[in-house]
Amino acid sequence: DVVMTQSPLSLPVTLGQPASISCRSSQSLVFSDGNTYLTWFQQRPGQSPRRLIYKVSNRGSGVPDRFSGSGSGTDFTLKISRVEAEDVGFYYCMQGTHWPPYTFGQGTKLEIK
Amino acid sequence: EVQLVESGGGLVQPGGSLRLSCVVSGFTFRSYWMSWVRQAPGKGLEWVANIKEDGSEKYYVGSVKGRFTISRDNAKNSLFLQMNSLRAEDTAVYYCARDGSGPEFFDLWGQGTLVSVSS
Repeated sequence: DVVMTQSPLSLPVTLGQPASISCRSSQSLVFSDGNTYLTWFQQRPGQSPRRLIYKVSNRGSGVPDRFSGSGSGTDFTLKISRVEAEDVGFYYCMQGTHWPPYTFGQGTKLEIK
Repeated sequence: EVQLVESGGGLVQPGGSLRLSCVVSGFTFRSYWMSWVRQAPGKGLEWVANIKEDGSEKYYVGSVKGRFTISRDNAKNSLFLQMNSLRAEDTAVYYCARDGSGPEFFDLWGQGTLVSVSS
């Protein structure tokens, strides 16, 4: 199975400042169709996961443009340009290239300093 | 309005069984793969199983193979997860989610249903 490794696992950020989360996969996530199936999710306290980014850099419907995704191969990054209070929660990357199974990173807890 | 509503969770003894349901509305259920994802208390997300649009293909994470069965009823816009031989480590909130290979990939999630396995 593909192992997804996120860092950091805890991310204290000052309101209005940028934040960055790294996600690395144990093998390349480029699929035979040329797409890279790397997805980012946000999970606010007490809520279900919410998809933010799909195929590395595509923002989902209704996702603020302060969220952006980048990367290729085995190295990926989620960036928040200016952290707001509503961004508190956990963030997970997930690979959908080498399945089954789909595999998630351990999660990164974003909190406000 | 798009909704995915899970039900069927509860407290069950080790070795017991439960059947989870997920009723969908607001999109054409029969046109999408669907998945179950779980989250143990205080832990991260784990994909459990998925099923093709017509139910002809099903896939599972290794830890539930042979114990869990995913199914669907497209006429009733419903997804199911039959869980047998339950173990303490199956304790989790179980979410249903829309799957697929396009922009719909895991874009919709239910609110989850809690399964507790304990004697």
